[in-house]
Amino acid sequence: AQKITQTQPGMFVQEKEAVTLDCTYDTSDQSYGLFWYKQPSSGEMIFLIYQGSYDEQNATEGRYSLNFQKARKSANLVISASQLGDSAMYFCAMREALTGTASKLTFGTGTRLQVTL
Amino acid sequence: DVKVTQSSRYLVKRTGEKVFLECVQDMDHENMFWYRQDPGLGLRLIYFSYDVKMKEKGDIPEGYSVSREKKERFSLILESASTNQTSMYLCASSLSRRSNQPQHFGDGTRLSIL
Repeated sequence: AQKITQTQPGMFVQEKEAVTLDCTYDTSDQSYGLFWYKQPSSGEMIFLIYQGSYDEQNATEGRYSLNFQKARKSANLVISASQLGDSAMYFCAMREALTGTASKLTFGTGTRLQVTL
Repeated sequence: DVKVTQSSRYLVKRTGEKVFLECVQDMDHENMFWYRQDPGLGLRLIYFSYDVKMKEKGDIPEGYSVSREKKERFSLILESASTNQTSMYLCASSLSRRSNQPQHFGDGTRLSIL
């Protein structure tokens, strides 16, 4: 079963507007972490923001914030004041409870965001 | 800043060849990972390593092997390349097993098998 679901293959947003990228997840663990990454057309994956399952406040990093709704198992990324440079693929990822070895990430299929003038 | 370096951005090889993809990180990270990325499928974990000479299979290890002889270097090996291994390959590293540590990625290698 898919553990990370990103239902929006593509999104458009006008410059200076805010946009929300959806992410839902499935886990039976109580302790887990959620990450968002950005991948520009050049290919590198850039870490944006992290939310822990026990964090009481929604994470924020500059123009990025994470709308974490634990009961609904959603962790949506909000980008405020979009810029042309925000055009990229965005991936949501989850790290489940540590098993004693390196903790692994499970990625969603991504959302391609296009910022327009 | 963490630097994860992959040896090639683009690589073209022939079916049946043995292919080596190299990855080096400069921050003394414990964990290293190899993913492949295909359109519509996101990133899928091939193998990972949590220590020198230690490795574990990810979700799609078939057709691949790995080597970690030194802490900073993690190699992905395609034993006998096939056309269905044409893909984008991404290497990543993370500091430790702490849950809030992000993985840091290299720039990726676009591999074409002809």
